[in-house]
Amino acid sequence: DQQVKQNSPSLSVQEGRISILNCDYTNSMFDYFLWYKKYPAEGPTFLISISSIKDKNEDGRFTVFLNKSAKHLSLHIVPSQPGDSAVYFCAARHQAGTALIFGKGTTLSVSS
Amino acid sequence: DAGVIQSPRHEVTEMGQEVTLRCKPISGHDYLFWYRQTMMRGLELLIYFNNNVPIDDSGMPEDRFSAKMPNASFSTLKIQPSEPRDSAVYFCASRRGTGAGTGELFFGEGSRLTVL
Repeated sequence: DQQVKQNSPSLSVQEGRISILNCDYTNSMFDYFLWYKKYPAEGPTFLISISSIKDKNEDGRFTVFLNKSAKHLSLHIVPSQPGDSAVYFCAARHQAGTALIFGKGTTLSVSS
Repeated sequence: DAGVIQSPRHEVTEMGQEVTLRCKPISGHDYLFWYRQTMMRGLELLIYFNNNVPIDDSGMPEDRFSAKMPNASFSTLKIQPSEPRDSAVYFCASRRGTGAGTGELFFGEGSRLTVL
């Protein structure tokens, strides 16, 4: 049973527009949420994170929003660039453990 | 500093053969994780170690899979015998100890396994 869900396998966006990637989770004990980005033939790399005590974290073009009541988080990329085309994984950390639990990923395609 | 180093990058083998994947974590990291990526299941945790000791192996699919960490700078994931359904990309990741912080993992480039 998936504790972290990314229900959209893919997303296509035009360059300059906003990309919104969504993630839902089921476990209320998660204390940190992270987004990873993965290019083909490479390992995932850390992008941005948010603590469960916050509702927003911003880093340049990337902003993550957390809605704890809905158990939902989203990653906003503004403006989107062709180099953002990659697979984006949502991940969560359980308070009591140290392993990250990942969603299945969303493939973002940004066209110029 | 070098990142997480995995070998081989690609492995093609026949069903029934033994497969050994290797990982060198980042120096000073005391947690090591093995993940597997497939289209159907995404990135799933197989096993992780803390200070070379296995902590949680509940994600290991079955007895054909085993993992060891004989020292702080080396880990192996072994599949014996291998089956076509084991075809996937296997990632090793490492991180420093817990405490304050995001729990960010650093991943290797992965080992793509194809079992014919």
